[in-house]
Amino acid sequence: GENVEQHPSTLSVQEGDSAVIKCTYSDSASNYFPWYKQELGKRPQLIIDIRSNVGEKKDQRIAVTLNKTAKHFSLHITETQPEDSAVYFCAASGGGGSYIPTFGRGTSLIVHP
Amino acid sequence: NAGVTQTPKFQVLKTGQSMTLQCAQDMNHEYMSWYRQDPGMGLRLIHYSVGAGITDQGEVPNGYNVSRSTTEDFPLRLLSAAPSQTSVYFCATTRTGSNTIYFGEGSWLTVV
Repeated sequence: GENVEQHPSTLSVQEGDSAVIKCTYSDSASNYFPWYKQELGKRPQLIIDIRSNVGEKKDQRIAVTLNKTAKHFSLHITETQPEDSAVYFCAASGGGGSYIPTFGRGTSLIVHP
Repeated sequence: NAGVTQTPKFQVLKTGQSMTLQCAQDMNHEYMSWYRQDPGMGLRLIHYSVGAGITDQGEVPNGYNVSRSTTEDFPLRLLSAAPSQTSVYFCATTRTGSNTIYFGEGSWLTVV
């Protein structure tokens, strides 16, 4: 089955800095890579996703890049704000036609004012 | 349109007790799944279903049962609760042809 590794587990930045979270996956057939943000006590919320036919996708201050050859994808957050503080999860799915994602272990992002 | 509804939101069980976490969806999605979330472990798949009458095991199925008699409902049963099952449980749905996953609000379970 799919295996998703996520790093770092904790990331501390100053407000205004950029933050980068990286994930690797094992199943070369996976074709969908979402990122979720989870605030304390809340459910995970989809913030951006990318499909395997695209190398990069941006939405305002967040972007995701995908390197299919190396089987890794990354989340980039620019001009971080305190409200970006949360746990972020990457995931991968689509291998074998499955819509059930495998999640990384999460990154706790702390943005200091 | 309520989306994915989980009940109860909070529950305390004694070791050895059984209980059922309920999950209902009104989006007519074929895929439903249960995850547990533990600190530092991410979201781990317990069981999933690709349609009514079909269920399969995920990464951590031991101690849990599921059934899918209707498209709308996917209950998760704890047969004999253990402290190791203290966790936050999320039910989720996905529509075939779309990868977008919709989570319920979560159920906080403590086993003492």
